[in-house]
Amino acid sequence: DAKTTQPPSMDCAEGRAANLPCNHSTISGNEYVYWYRQIHSQGPQYIIHGLKNNETNEMASLIITEDRKSSTLILPHATLRDTAVYYCIVSSLGGTSYGKLTFGQGTILTVHP
Amino acid sequence: DVKVTQSSRYLVKRTGEKVFLECVQDMDHENMFWYRQDPGLGLRLIYFSYDVKMKEKGDIPEGYSVSREKKERFSLILESASTNQTSMYLCASTPVGFGYTFGSGTRLTVV
Repeated sequence: DAKTTQPPSMDCAEGRAANLPCNHSTISGNEYVYWYRQIHSQGPQYIIHGLKNNETNEMASLIITEDRKSSTLILPHATLRDTAVYYCIVSSLGGTSYGKLTFGQGTILTVHP
Repeated sequence: DVKVTQSSRYLVKRTGEKVFLECVQDMDHENMFWYRQDPGLGLRLIYFSYDVKMKEKGDIPEGYSVSREKKERFSLILESASTNQTSMYLCASTPVGFGYTFGSGTRLTVV
């Protein structure tokens, strides 16, 4: 699976949009981009995933560049409860990987009042 | 909502004991996974299973085994617990093509 690079930490003011970047320059054509977050002492929570089109759900938006070498997770109106570690992961769904995910160190997002 | 339930939130075991960590999911997912999480090392994949009675080694399988006799249940077994297996253990399940659902985790301490 392709490797990802994320900034180790970011800050965001409450109510503002949080834009979390991720580089995945070695992504291959059949690999999806997944985003998860982990709030302290809980299991990671799935946020969103996409292949090449931008995606939006009730939690966030995912913007993937045309060349697919990077993406941005957008939390449109960050709240204090969004403070967490955010993981960007790329993985294929089929073949021998069976959708297994390799977690990196992620980005610690701190939302402050 | 999909639920992944891990049998214990906190567990304390003695060195050398055989330890069973149980994970049950209620949505008929094909794939199930066991990870451990340690400070500074992130989440590391121990074993995964893509079908009943099927298992594959992850990145750190040494000292562990797994069992999947029924689709909804995936057990992690520490054959002889050691102090370096003190960790947070996380179970996850997913149907093919969708995101993982994780359990709340089991914090295991081996003394």
